[in-house]
Amino acid sequence: SQQGEEDPQALSIQEGENATMNCSYKTSINNLQWYRQNSGRGLVHLILIRSNEREKHSGRLRVTLDTSKKSSSLLITASRAADTASYFCATDWVGNQFYFGTGTSLTVIP
Amino acid sequence: EPEVTQTPSHQVTQMGQEVILRCVPISNHLYFYWYRQILGQKVEFLVSFYNNEISEKSEIFDDQFSVERPDGSNFTLKIRSTKLEDSAMYFCASSDVGGLYTEAFFGQGTRLTVV
Repeated sequence: SQQGEEDPQALSIQEGENATMNCSYKTSINNLQWYRQNSGRGLVHLILIRSNEREKHSGRLRVTLDTSKKSSSLLITASRAADTASYFCATDWVGNQFYFGTGTSLTVIP
Repeated sequence: EPEVTQTPSHQVTQMGQEVILRCVPISNHLYFYWYRQILGQKVEFLVSFYNNEISEKSEIFDDQFSVERPDGSNFTLKIRSTKLEDSAMYFCASSDVGGLYTEAFFGQGTRLTVV
């Protein structure tokens, strides 16, 4: 299976702290994307990193990709209560499919 | 900002009934997708659609499911005879290109409850 797997499954931090989530996958990819899902809501695209990129920033988000280890990390700096959500990595494979992991549930305590 | 819109936000249906979930993708996008998420589980791919035909489908997408782009703006998912296990959140997504660096935009989802 090509599915990404995130860890930890759940993460609870204080507001202002940094949150790091990891994603591992099994086979070669063209790109990896991170999505956020607020409880019971839709998926919001956060960032896409291509297989030839190693790091990408977007606001308070920093994503790294290590294709040799088949892993990616999402760092949210200076977390806020509004960052409370589930975070998923999605990897492409052949064709136009995205494979989602099980997600990391992040709780930011005010 | 353009967005994918889905209707209804919540649908309750009797087992065995047909349901149609509707989506309006982003207007200049060419690739369309349906995903589902059973409560507490991962988001699963159902089907992708391009150039008025299915380009890929998963094992979940059996004969009970069909997709259609009836006009230039809507993209629908039909479940012919719903089962209890079809209860899930269904997400529509679209992208402007397919292939290597596809960035898909998802709608807010339709929560389907089969009773």
